[in-house]
Amino acid sequence: GAVVSQHPSWVICKSGTSVKIECRSLDFQATTMFWYRQFPKQSLMLMATSNEGSKATYEQGVEKDKFLINHASLTLSTLTVTSAHPEDSSFYICSAREGEWGSYNEQFFGPGTRLTVL
Amino acid sequence: KQEVTQIPAALSVPEGENLVLNCSFTDSAIYNLQWFRQDPGKGLTSLLLIQSSQREQTSGRLNASLDKSSGRSTLYIAASQPGDSATYLCAANMYSGGGADGLTFGKGTHLIIQP
Repeated sequence: GAVVSQHPSWVICKSGTSVKIECRSLDFQATTMFWYRQFPKQSLMLMATSNEGSKATYEQGVEKDKFLINHASLTLSTLTVTSAHPEDSSFYICSAREGEWGSYNEQFFGPGTRLTVL
Repeated sequence: KQEVTQIPAALSVPEGENLVLNCSFTDSAIYNLQWFRQDPGKGLTSLLLIQSSQREQTSGRLNASLDKSSGRSTLYIAASQPGDSATYLCAANMYSGGGADGLTFGKGTHLIIQP
C-alpha cells in the first residue's frame, strides 16, 4: 500500500513556457502533500507544503508566484512551474501523508519528475 | 533551523564488508528519522523509519539506530553486496505547532560496493 505516483516522469520544455507536474496518492487519502526539489549531486530541499483545500506554505526563498501549487482533492496535488528558465531544471519529487492535518504519519514519496528547460 | 549532516560523503568498499553510515542533526526535537536509498536518476526508497521514542529499527541486513539526545543516527549494512550501491539519505522530521513540517535531508552518502 501507500503508493504515490507522479506524472510526467520527465519533461523537456522551452524557456518561458509553463509546466505542470501531478502528484497522486493511489491508495490513500493525502491530507498533506509536500514538494521537494533536488539539483544535481545535491540533496532534496523542501519547497512547499500543501494541505487539501487550503493555500500552500512555501519555504523561504521559493517564489510562490513561480511555483504554483494546487491541492484540490485528497488524492491530487499539482505543481506548475510558470515561465520556466534553465535554472529551474531539476528533479522534482512529491510526498504525501494521510491522516488529519497536523498528524505525524509517515510521508510516502513519488518517483520524481525530471524537468529540463532549454 | 534543523541541519542534517552525513558522513562520509562517499564510500567505496569491497563486497562482503560490514559498514556504517553516519547522520547527525542539530535539533533534537524530532519526532522521527528516516533512512532512504536513492539510485541514480531515480526517486527515493524508504529503508527504515525510527520514531523518536525508539532506539533502533532492523530490516534484513540493515539496522538503524537513533540517539536523539546526541543528535545522531547510524545505518549499519551487514555483508554488503554490489546491489547495495546507491546514495543513502538521512532525513529528520520535526515537531511543529501545526503538525510535522517536511523532512530535512542530509546530502547523502554515495556508496559503491566493489564486486
